[in-house]
Amino acid sequence: NAGVMQNPRHLVRRRGQEARLRCSPMKGHSHVYWYRQLPEEGLKFMVYLQKENIIDESGMPKERFSAEFPKEGPSILRIQQVVRGDSAAYFCASSPSLDTKNIQYFGAGTRLSVL
Amino acid sequence: GDSVTQMEGPVTLSEEAFLTINCTYTATGYPSLFWYVQYPGEGLQLLLKATKADDKGSNKGFEATYRKETTSFHLEKGSVQVSDSAVYFCALGNTGNQFYFGTGTSLTVIP
Repeated sequence: NAGVMQNPRHLVRRRGQEARLRCSPMKGHSHVYWYRQLPEEGLKFMVYLQKENIIDESGMPKERFSAEFPKEGPSILRIQQVVRGDSAAYFCASSPSLDTKNIQYFGAGTRLSVL
Repeated sequence: GDSVTQMEGPVTLSEEAFLTINCTYTATGYPSLFWYVQYPGEGLQLLLKATKADDKGSNKGFEATYRKETTSFHLEKGSVQVSDSAVYFCALGNTGNQFYFGTGTSLTVIP
């Protein structure tokens, strides 16, 4: 059973370009979470999605950031017109259901560098 | 709101030393508590968890006890190894959909 798969592992973009980060949850998991980890900081929640629905996007910046989890295919975190401050590691996690006892399983992350 | 406060690092220990990383939390209701470990260049891996007061989570020689009276979930290991060098995150999961993470504690174990 494959774990949470994120790609690419490393992504380099120039200022103003778009970044697309992909996340395939573990098999059987219908809940996906995105987190951002800035250098020397902990993980900050960005958004929580179920298939075709955004459930909580309270941690998402109001502009340039969007996320989706379509019926088919991976979840996508999209950052438009990237700026240097977007450089960070972005982690995706998945869980089988919404329950505080459930563990969130993390992918290896995508490290975004904005030049 | 819910939050986690974690002991700041970095922590450097000699092999076979005793490890404690402090974690305290603020939460309403009855959260679950977790310790995750992150090795260089990798994602977070669950180390252990506890879902109710007085539960003890344990794995790979690490332990943490859910103390509701002191709102704490300190991580301990009796004898650390070089391979334990990593960043350790305390986390809280409550009703809702977010996990709240501490800022992480970097541990380096020297031979």
